[in-house]
Amino acid sequence: SQQGEEDPQALSIQEGENATMNCSYKTSINNLQWYRQNSGRGLVHLILIRSNEREKHSGRLRVTLDTSKKSSSLLITASRAADTASYFCATVRLSNDMRFGAGTRLTVKP
Amino acid sequence: EPEVTQTPSHQVTQMGQEVILRCVPISNHLYFYWYRQILGQKVEFLVSFYNNEISEKSEIFDDQFSVERPDGSNFTLKIRSTKLEDSAMYFCASRGRESQETQYFGPGTRLLVL
Repeated sequence: SQQGEEDPQALSIQEGENATMNCSYKTSINNLQWYRQNSGRGLVHLILIRSNEREKHSGRLRVTLDTSKKSSSLLITASRAADTASYFCATVRLSNDMRFGAGTRLTVKP
Repeated sequence: EPEVTQTPSHQVTQMGQEVILRCVPISNHLYFYWYRQILGQKVEFLVSFYNNEISEKSEIFDDQFSVERPDGSNFTLKIRSTKLEDSAMYFCASRGRESQETQYFGPGTRLLVL
């Protein structure tokens, strides 16, 4: 299976702290994407990193990709209570189908 | 900003009934997808669709499922004879021509099979 597997499954931090979530996968990928989902709601695309990229930034988000280790990390800096959500990594193969991991449930306490 | 829309937002049906979930992808997109998410679980890929045919499907997408693009704007998922375990949130997504482009997700349809 090439599904991403996130860790930790759940993460609880205080507002202002940084949150780091990791994702591992098993097969070759075209790109890797991170999504956010508020409880019971739809998926919001956060960031896409291509297989030939190692790091990408978007606002308070920083994503890394290590294709040799088949892993990625999502760092949210200076977290806010509004960042509370589930975060999923999704791997896209050359065939373009997307596979999601189980997600990390992030709670940011005010 | 263009967005993917889905109807209905919620559907309740009896086991054994047929349901059709509707999606309107972003207008210039070429690739279309359905995913489902059982409550509390991860998002699972069902099927991808390009050039009026299925390009890939998962093991979940068995004979009771079918997809169609009936009129050039809608993209539908039909479940012929619903089962209790089909209860889930169903998401439609679409993307443009380039393989490195983002898939944009609709808000989902919550299906409850009784």
